[in-house]
Amino acid sequence: NAGVTQTPKFQVLKTGQSMTLQCAQDMNHEYMSWYRQDPGMGLRLIHYSVGAGITDQGEVPNGYNVSRSTTEDFPLRLLSAAPSQTSVYFCASSYGQGGNQPQHFGDGTRLSIL
Amino acid sequence: KQEVTQIPAALSVPEGENLVLNCSFTDSAIYNLQWFRQDPGKGLTSLLLIQSSQREQTSGRLNASLDKSSGRSTLYIAASQPGDSATYLCAVQHPDNYGQNFVFGPGTRLSVLP
Repeated sequence: NAGVTQTPKFQVLKTGQSMTLQCAQDMNHEYMSWYRQDPGMGLRLIHYSVGAGITDQGEVPNGYNVSRSTTEDFPLRLLSAAPSQTSVYFCASSYGQGGNQPQHFGDGTRLSIL
Repeated sequence: KQEVTQIPAALSVPEGENLVLNCSFTDSAIYNLQWFRQDPGKGLTSLLLIQSSQREQTSGRLNASLDKSSGRSTLYIAASQPGDSATYLCAVQHPDNYGQNFVFGPGTRLSVLP
């Protein structure tokens, strides 16, 4: 059981480039989310999805797009990379939202924007 | 807006000591509180979840308490071991947060010295 798989693990981009961070889960979880983690700060929610075809914005959505065409996959797209988007990105999934549903996290993608 | 803080930011103790990590949150209207462990270069692993109606949860050498009225939680680690070295994050699930998602603290980096 792979859990939550994120690719790539590391990436260096130049300002203005675009890229997609991949996230896949094999637990048939309905709820998926993307966070960024910056030094000295907690994880901040970028976007989330409560099921296939449904996405919504989190706390820091600007500069990012998401889509959820299948239950398994939830890619995060950087439209035009900026140095402020240098961060570690985590994808998480859970069976549902609210209540007692533990979140399962991937190992993260470390992204540097030059 | 719910805010979560953790004190201390970093802690170094000799092996065998009992220790307490602290978490504070500003709005007591939470569904639950979770403690996570994060190893370097890895994602988050859920340790304990305390529902809003509970006062504490225990798992092995870990005990987490919750005082909703004062907006505080503690994570007690008994007989610490070098393998406990990691960053510990607390997070609260709040009804008014995006999609009832979690609000994370910045974490406490724990080093247990052999």
